Amino acid sequence: AQSVTQPDIHITVSEGASLELRCNYSYGATPYLFWYVQSPGQGLQLLLKYFSGDTLVQGIKGFEAEFKRSQSSFNLRKPSVHWSDAAEYFCAVFDNRKLIWGLGTSLAVNP
Amino acid sequence: DTGVSQNPRHKITKRGQNVTFRCDPISEHNRLYWYRQTLGQGPEFLTYFQNEAQLEKSRLLSDRFSAERPKGSFSTLEIQRTEQGDSAMYLCASNGQGFDEQYFGPGTRLTVT
Repeated sequence: AQSVTQPDIHITVSEGASLELRCNYSYGATPYLFWYVQSPGQGLQLLLKYFSGDTLVQGIKGFEAEFKRSQSSFNLRKPSVHWSDAAEYFCAVFDNRKLIWGLGTSLAVNP
Repeated sequence: DTGVSQNPRHKITKRGQNVTFRCDPISEHNRLYWYRQTLGQGPEFLTYFQNEAQLEKSRLLSDRFSAERPKGSFSTLEIQRTEQGDSAMYLCASNGQGFDEQYFGPGTRLTVT
């Protein structure tokens, strides 16, 4: 079965520090991969997506992610975190009409 | 277009009661999805519509759950004889292409007491 694993349930970083959120997927074919962010009281918002082509994809709010087929990973990165980035981050893979989601990583940002 | 809307935003009901939620997708989107999200979990797929046709249902969707999209526009999700385990956030999303970005509504938070 297709699955997405986000190994880190909770991460705390200091404002201005770099960030990497991990995502591993299990999928038989070339995956369509997504990162969404969910802030309290807000709906899920797409940060970026990977369909094909360049394995380094740029997203909104200064985020980027790198697709590594050999490692079945799609890690999310940001060079300098802002306090407003505190939120829940979800990785997902498109599987036959629906999204399969990881459990999410909760990001806290220290001032 | 202001995006996907869901009503109500919050619903508190007693066990055994029926509830109905509504989702209005982005107007030009022909695909509509329902997901359920419990605390500390990612969303779980419930069902999918293409226009008015319900093309897929998760095994999570028991007989007490029914979803409709009668005219291929808005959709409703009904839960009959609610149970405490139904307490969750119910999310609706829409898109125009199956593999493209899904646009999510703010969700309806259901609390069953």
